[in-house]
Amino acid sequence: DVKVTQSSRYLVKRTGEKVFLECVQDMDHENMFWYRQDPGLGLRLIYFSYDVKMKEKGDIPEGYSVSREKKERFSLILESASTNQTSMYLCASSLNVNSVEYLSGNTIYFGEGSWLTVV
Amino acid sequence: QQQVKQSPQSLIVQKGGISIINCAYENTAFDYFPWYQQFPGKGPALLIAIRPDVSEKKEGRFTISFNKSAKQFSLHIMDSQPGDSATYFCAASQEYGGSQGNLIFGKGTKLSVKP
Repeated sequence: DVKVTQSSRYLVKRTGEKVFLECVQDMDHENMFWYRQDPGLGLRLIYFSYDVKMKEKGDIPEGYSVSREKKERFSLILESASTNQTSMYLCASSLNVNSVEYLSGNTIYFGEGSWLTVV
Repeated sequence: QQQVKQSPQSLIVQKGGISIINCAYENTAFDYFPWYQQFPGKGPALLIAIRPDVSEKKEGRFTISFNKSAKQFSLHIMDSQPGDSATYFCAASQEYGGSQGNLIFGKGTKLSVKP
């Protein structure tokens, strides 16, 4: 089974703090994603990465940055946390569409989420 | 043109009833339509998916109906059970020729099945 692990499930941080959310996947997937989930707004893509050391902005990248130094690890960084970044953050991974094994569709595998409260 | 519109936002169904969740899209280049199921405190997980070359796909009590001309697809849960209570997300992507197949998600439907 694919496993996407988010190391911190619940965090409380102060306004202005730098926050790191870590994510590791164990299936050698090329693609990794960070989403934010808020009631009534669904899943919104923050950043994604198709390969090591590369990143692309999603729909709501403002206030966030990411780092992908190793294929299995994708970190989300809040440089200066604000109260409007209180949310549930979901990491995900998937195969590249050009992979030989990519036969059954673009299945994204999610982690269990990190609940961040900024006070 | 990239949006996926999902309705209803919430749904209450009696045990044994049929739950129906609808989604509509605009981008005719979309060619993959999955549904994800999310239980409280967990991340979403793939439930069932369809491609536009078929009009219906069934897996157990879960069925996707797809109407390409109307650009709509729906999830039907037959004989709904309390254990089906969860949030359901539809999604769409353009797998070939698009931006690496990034999924566009609907805003979700919270389903409650009453015993």
